[in-house]
Amino acid sequence: GNSVTQMEGPVTLSEEAFLTINCTYTATGYPSLFWYVQYPGEGLQLLLKATKADDKGSNKGFEATYRKETTSFHLEKGSVQVSDSAVYFCALLSRTYKYIFGTGTRLKVLA
Amino acid sequence: DVKVTQSSRYLVKRTGEKVFLECVQDMDHENMFWYRQDPGLGLRLIYFSYDVKMKEKGDIPEGYSVSREKKERFSLILESASTNQTSMYLCASTRAGGGRETQYFGPGTRLLVL
Repeated sequence: GNSVTQMEGPVTLSEEAFLTINCTYTATGYPSLFWYVQYPGEGLQLLLKATKADDKGSNKGFEATYRKETTSFHLEKGSVQVSDSAVYFCALLSRTYKYIFGTGTRLKVLA
Repeated sequence: DVKVTQSSRYLVKRTGEKVFLECVQDMDHENMFWYRQDPGLGLRLIYFSYDVKMKEKGDIPEGYSVSREKKERFSLILESASTNQTSMYLCASTRAGGGRETQYFGPGTRLLVL
């Protein structure tokens, strides 16, 4: 079946450090892939998405590339800020139009 | 700006009570979803709806029911609340389409069942 696996947190970084949060998926066909972010006390909001292989999604300095050969969609940012502290969810939309979410990775950025 | 609202941010209920969680979206979206979010488990789908008066079970429907009488409103009902239903409940909506749709989430309702 379809599934999403993302690295367990928490991830603690100093401000301006490089961020990678790993995400791999299992799915039939070519799902759309998403990263959502949840700030404290809020619901999830879309951070970026990619809908086909080799697409790169980007937003607010974050990037992720849809890698079909490694079934991955790793989230990266070159220089994190304290305001990036949040929980990040990787997700896919399957061919049967079902959303599958990872368990979330908590990021804490220290000043 | 798109908007999904949920009737309460925090709720405290007693075991056995009937609980209603309301969700309203103003984007004319066809699809609406209810999830619960628990630490270490991520988001789990309870129910979803692709049209008015239509509902489909998700992965964990036991103990819950839903109602969708109008396109913009999707209600989650806990028929007899239990302590294991203490959780964060998230509503989401999407438009119908070809498989690239973004889900828009409400702010969540944190429910405590005593």
